[in-house]
Amino acid sequence: DTGVSQDPRHKITKRGQNVTFRCDPISEHNRLYWYRQTLGQGPEFLTYFQNEAQLEKSRLLSDRFSAERPKGSFSTLEIQRTEQGDSAMYLCASSPDLLAASYNEQFFGPGTRLTVL
Amino acid sequence: AQSVSQHNHHVILSEAASLELGCNYSYGGTVNLFWYVQYPGQHLQLLLKYFSGDPLVKGIKGFEAEFIKSKFSFNLRKPSVQWSDTAEYFCAVTPTGGFKTIFGAGTRLFVKA
Repeated sequence: DTGVSQDPRHKITKRGQNVTFRCDPISEHNRLYWYRQTLGQGPEFLTYFQNEAQLEKSRLLSDRFSAERPKGSFSTLEIQRTEQGDSAMYLCASSPDLLAASYNEQFFGPGTRLTVL
Repeated sequence: AQSVSQHNHHVILSEAASLELGCNYSYGGTVNLFWYVQYPGQHLQLLLKYFSGDPLVKGIKGFEAEFIKSKFSFNLRKPSVQWSDTAEYFCAVTPTGGFKTIFGAGTRLFVKA
């Protein structure tokens, strides 16, 4: 399968623990996005990488949330001191570098479902 | 602030009925517009997109959407739905030249066979 992959698919953790998710984009895609999706809502933008550079991030991605893409390939999203409100589906998407970012289709992964007890 | 509004959260149709899903956005500049679909058990995938030119765009599986700039709308249509169109549909907007995509809350479509 050459699509976007995410690991783990499901994560159950206790409040206060740290969690880290991984995203592997489609190999030739330079652009990578993280989103959060809660029940009944659409994906909510968290951050965007162009290669290894984090070019835009939501105000949500501060304090307890951090994302990295150290070598411009895979990316990790870490949540520190998890809270019950962090329970959600975390989606990763990638897109090619053919046109300006806003013109490109995003290819989504299956998501990581986080449950904080 | 940018926002995307989808008018219907749940739609139930019989096969062969016509479909129109509403989408309105709020943004002061030019935008690129998308409809994504998520079939049961599958990933989000692109249905169609609009950048410029002809405001009526055609996508996969017989779907089309019309951009009406004066109304800030990008409604999705299909003349005759099939049971296999049962899915959740998301309207999305990215400011031209920007990176941040805003999604609507989604519309769940159920097509009765």
